[in-house]
Amino acid sequence: DTAVSQTPKYLVTQMGNDKSIKCEQNLGHDTMYWYKQDSKKFLKIMFSYNNKELIINETVPNRFSPKSPDKAHLNLHINSLELGDSAVYFCASSPRVDHEQYFGPGTRLTVT
Amino acid sequence: AQTVTQSQPEMSVQEAETVTLSCTYDTSENNYYLFWYKQPPSRQMILVIRQEAYKQQNATENRFSVNFQKAAKSFSLKISDSQLGDTAMYFCAFMKQYNRDDKIIFGKGTRLHILP
Repeated sequence: DTAVSQTPKYLVTQMGNDKSIKCEQNLGHDTMYWYKQDSKKFLKIMFSYNNKELIINETVPNRFSPKSPDKAHLNLHINSLELGDSAVYFCASSPRVDHEQYFGPGTRLTVT
Repeated sequence: AQTVTQSQPEMSVQEAETVTLSCTYDTSENNYYLFWYKQPPSRQMILVIRQEAYKQQNATENRFSVNFQKAAKSFSLKISDSQLGDTAMYFCAFMKQYNRDDKIIFGKGTRLHILP
C-alpha cells in the first residue's frame, strides 16, 4: 500500500557505470517528478512528467535520462556515473501540476 | 524568479515547548501555494501543511499551524507541544498556481532538534 515507491533504496556503484532508479506511484496521479538532494540537503527538481509527457527539464547533464513507460512509472537512468552524482534522489507525484507533491522514500546513490 | 528563504539553519527546543520556524519568499505572483515539508532522519519527505495564497485563514493541522502574512511574504510554521518525533529538517516551499511547467521551489531547510 505504499503510495510512491522507489527501488533501490541504496545504490553503491563505481564511476563510469550506468544505473537506473525506478519509481512507481499507485495514487492515480498525473504528474511525476525527480529531485536531487545534495549533501547540504538542498532539494532541486530535475524533471517532471505529466501524463507521460516531459514538462520540466532542468539544466541536468544529458547523462541523466528519465523514462515514463506509463502514467504510474517514472524511471531515471544515469549513464557514465561521476563522483558528483552521489546524492539522494527522490521521486514524487501529484494529482496535477500545481498541487502538493507526495514523495517516495528516496534512493541514496553513492559513486565511488 | 521566485525565491524561498529560511533564515534559521538549525534550532533546538525542549520537548513540549512551542517553536516557530520562519520562512520568507519573494514573488510577483498573486496566486500560489505554500507548503511546509518535514524530513525526519528516515529521509522520507512528508507534507506537513499547505496554504493557498487566496485564503486569508491560516492553515492548521493538529499541532502544526502557520502564520501566513501575504503582504509581508512571510509563512512561518508553529509547532505546539513539540514532541521528540518532530525532530527533522523542515522545508518551506512555494509553487505558482495554474502553471503547467512550473515547479516547487524549496528553501534550504531548518534542522529542528527536540530535546528530551
